Amino acid sequence: KAGVTQTPRYLIKTRGQQVTLSCSPISGHRSVSWYQQTPGQGLQFLFEYFSETQRNKGNFPGRFSGRQFSNSRSEMNVSTLELGDSALYLCASGLDYEQYFGPGTRLTVT
Amino acid sequence: AQSVTQLGSHVSVSEGALVLLRCNYSSSVPPYLFWYVQYPNQGLQLLLKYTTGATLVKGINGFEAEFKKSETSFHLTKPSAHMSDAAEYFCAVTLYSSASKIIFGSGTRLSIRP
Repeated sequence: KAGVTQTPRYLIKTRGQQVTLSCSPISGHRSVSWYQQTPGQGLQFLFEYFSETQRNKGNFPGRFSGRQFSNSRSEMNVSTLELGDSALYLCASGLDYEQYFGPGTRLTVT
Repeated sequence: AQSVTQLGSHVSVSEGALVLLRCNYSSSVPPYLFWYVQYPNQGLQLLLKYTTGATLVKGINGFEAEFKKSETSFHLTKPSAHMSDAAEYFCAVTLYSSASKIIFGSGTRLSIRP
């Protein structure tokens, strides 16, 4: 069974721009969660989608948003990028508490 | 609210030696506990998990962890370290009521000396 895939793997954007990251979950998984990983803050939960509805949300500003499609694929969007948004963004799909992570998208904001 | 504390941001052991990575949690209700491993430029891989039942849980690659409620601990051990164990290890906690919202510790980087 194929794992979680994330595209693109690497991205360079300029401050003020917006970016969209994509995540395809493991077949059959209806839950998709997003995490931000930075050296300073570690791994932080962004939000979770289940059956196209946001089910949980972390403590991030409204510039961070997401959505999930009927085929369970998910996208997250960051508007008005700031230098501090540079991070590894990890997507996880799962069944209840067991989460399977993708390789991440490395976003660099210059 | 639940939280996780990993003691030691960097642990170095010799190949063949015991690996012990420490994790303490805080939770007002019985938590689910996890250990994940992250290799450079990769995502997180689940090593093992504790939900209910047996407090000693075995995971992949020879790792195991013991849930000790009285000590609020969930330390990760491996009897004999291998060079391939060098990676970053994360302890994590979640509650069944918000099972997908995982709270991670700050991570422990494990180095293996030849």
